[in-house]
Amino acid sequence: EVQLVETGGGLIQPGGSLRLSCAASGFTVSSNYMSWVRQAPGKGLEWVSVIYSGGSTYYADSVKGRFTISRDNSKNTLYLQMNSLRAEDTAVYYCARSNYGDYENDLTFDYWGQGTLVTVSS
Amino acid sequence: QSVLTQPPSVSGAPGQRVTISCTGSSSNIGAGYDVHWYQQLPGTAPKLLIYGNSNRPSGVPDRFSGSKSGTSASLAITGLQAEDEADYYCQSYDSSLNWVFGGGTKLTVL
Repeated sequence: EVQLVETGGGLIQPGGSLRLSCAASGFTVSSNYMSWVRQAPGKGLEWVSVIYSGGSTYYADSVKGRFTISRDNSKNTLYLQMNSLRAEDTAVYYCARSNYGDYENDLTFDYWGQGTLVTVSS
Repeated sequence: QSVLTQPPSVSGAPGQRVTISCTGSSSNIGAGYDVHWYQQLPGTAPKLLIYGNSNRPSGVPDRFSGSKSGTSASLAITGLQAEDEADYYCQSYDSSLNWVFGGGTKLTVL
């Protein structure tokens, strides 16, 4: 059974840093595309970042240069390092396994974790 | 403003059919990229409902169906049930913005 468990959220001051973890079971993180998607309180979903099985990474413009996605193959875990945090980064952060059909760009998010809340406030 | 436009809300009585539209542009849906749909029940994580425009993952009832034409896509739900009350999101790829979601549609079962 595929399971994703996010940890690491919490209250952080503006300008601070936080690292989110997503422990996976039931499949191999390094063999899949993995993404982070966030949802601000009462708002819709926003794609944040993806790491391809080959290691390529991509980011939304809103987090580029501040967030870094990575993985630890030995721990089967996905990470999101978040630096220079802003109030607008406040959201529930979900990790999601990503899959595609014929083309890499046609990514879909087929399994999601339960999310971890990040609150950026002084 | 989301790149993919959905109605903020739709409603229907039990047993009825409702549709949720997702309107994009030539840089996303109209460029031929697939549309996927997610259901988010209150207080839970999103769940994949439709992938590749019209395909249902295992376990999703055939009451849910998806279609795509031109720069738009639609999710149809037939035989509406109380448990279908949730937020629904479309998602695709945009050549300028990477992966994008619609703003979400809240379905109310009357």
